[in-house]
Formats: sequence, C-alpha cells, structure tokens
Amino acid sequence: AQTVTQSQPEMSVQEAETVTLSCTYDTSESDYYLFWYKQPPSRQMILVIRQEAYKQQNATENRFSVNFQKAAKSFSLKISDSQLGDAAMYFCAYKMSNNNDMRFGAGTRLTVKP
Amino acid sequence: DAGVTQSPTHLIKTRGQQVTLRCSPKSGHDTVSWYQQALGQGPQFIFQYYEEEERQRGNFPDRFSGHQFPNYSSELNVNALLLGDSALYLCASSRRQGLNPRHLNEQFFGPGTRLTVL
Repeated sequence: AQTVTQSQPEMSVQEAETVTLSCTYDTSESDYYLFWYKQPPSRQMILVIRQEAYKQQNATENRFSVNFQKAAKSFSLKISDSQLGDAAMYFCAYKMSNNNDMRFGAGTRLTVKP
Repeated sequence: DAGVTQSPTHLIKTRGQQVTLRCSPKSGHDTVSWYQQALGQGPQFIFQYYEEEERQRGNFPDRFSGHQFPNYSSELNVNALLLGDSALYLCASSRRQGLNPRHLNEQFFGPGTRLTVL
C-alpha cells in the first residue's frame, strides 16, 4: 500500500529565512505524481507545487522548490524568503498516474516568526 | 470564476442520524472527489464521481454514499452517524482529460464542511 510520511509535526522559521519540510513515501509504482498542499486556517487546501515522477528535474514555483529523490522516495519542500502568509499546515500527497486515490501525509504545521 | 463551493459550512448531528453534504465543482470541471479529514490528520479519499457514477472508492463503509448530478455537482451522504464520523469533509473537483494516464487532473479543493457528531 502506498503511504506518505511527514516526520515533522511542527516547524518554525524566521521571516525571510529558508525552511525545508520533509516527506517520504512508500510505493512500488514507477509512474506517479507528488504534491505539496498548503492548508491555512481558512481550511481550503491550496496546491503549492507538484512533481511528476518521470521528470528528473526538480519542480520550482517562485519561492517554493522541491528536492525529489526518487530512489530514496523522498520529496522535501523548500520555502525561501519565508513570509508571514506562509504560516499554515503543509501536506505532502502522492497519487498514482492511473488511480484517483490521492494519499496524504499527516501534515506539518509551519509557524513563521516576525 | 467561482471555485469549488461546499454547503453547509458547519453541521451538528447526533449519533444514528443521516447527513447530506453538497459540493459544486469549479467551472469547467466534471469530476468530483470527496475526502474525510479527521482532526490533526491528512485527508483520506472516500470516493470519486464522474459521469454520474462512482468511479473509485477508498476504504470507507457502505454508510458513505454519494451522487453526482447532470450539472456535475455532487452530494455525500452518511447514514447511521458514529462519533468517529466527526471530521472536515472536503470536496475536490477536476477536469477529466481523456484516457491518457499521464494527464494530470489537478484537483481543486473546496473549503470543506465541518461535521460534528454528538
């Protein structure tokens, strides 16, 4: 069964600094997608960044980038120049390409200190 | 362009009752997925609807059922409510892009319905 593990229940970063959130996953599949979602107190899940497993290049979206290590089944999120608005729960998620069931980790609560 | 909307925002029920939650997908989307998010946990996939049929189901009992209407909106029904059904129920919509499995049907989430079972 595919599982997603986020080993950091809480993380804290100073405004303007960089923080990395960890995620590992377990799968025997070779074709899948990985995602980072942000869930602020408003509860609405917002897609931050996604990575196709068949692409070797790490995805980047402005201040957000990932370190995708397929062999190690690791998918960490780096947030650069952290802003107060980045404070939220962050969820790592996995989805097989031919399956509709998206698996989420337990989440990491990120606090940004001014 | 309205995003995914869900109603109601909050709901309180007692054990044994039945509940119906509603979801309207983002404009242009035809597929609706439902997730249950217990407090302090990540969302868990309940099922997905496309073309008014349940296409895939997660590990949830038959007490959880759904429906999709011709306008692509969807309902989630839960019968015989248990205390453990208390959670945030999230709806996500996407646009099916043919049968090519490499098409990433990105899901857009609604704000959720907070269900409390007493």
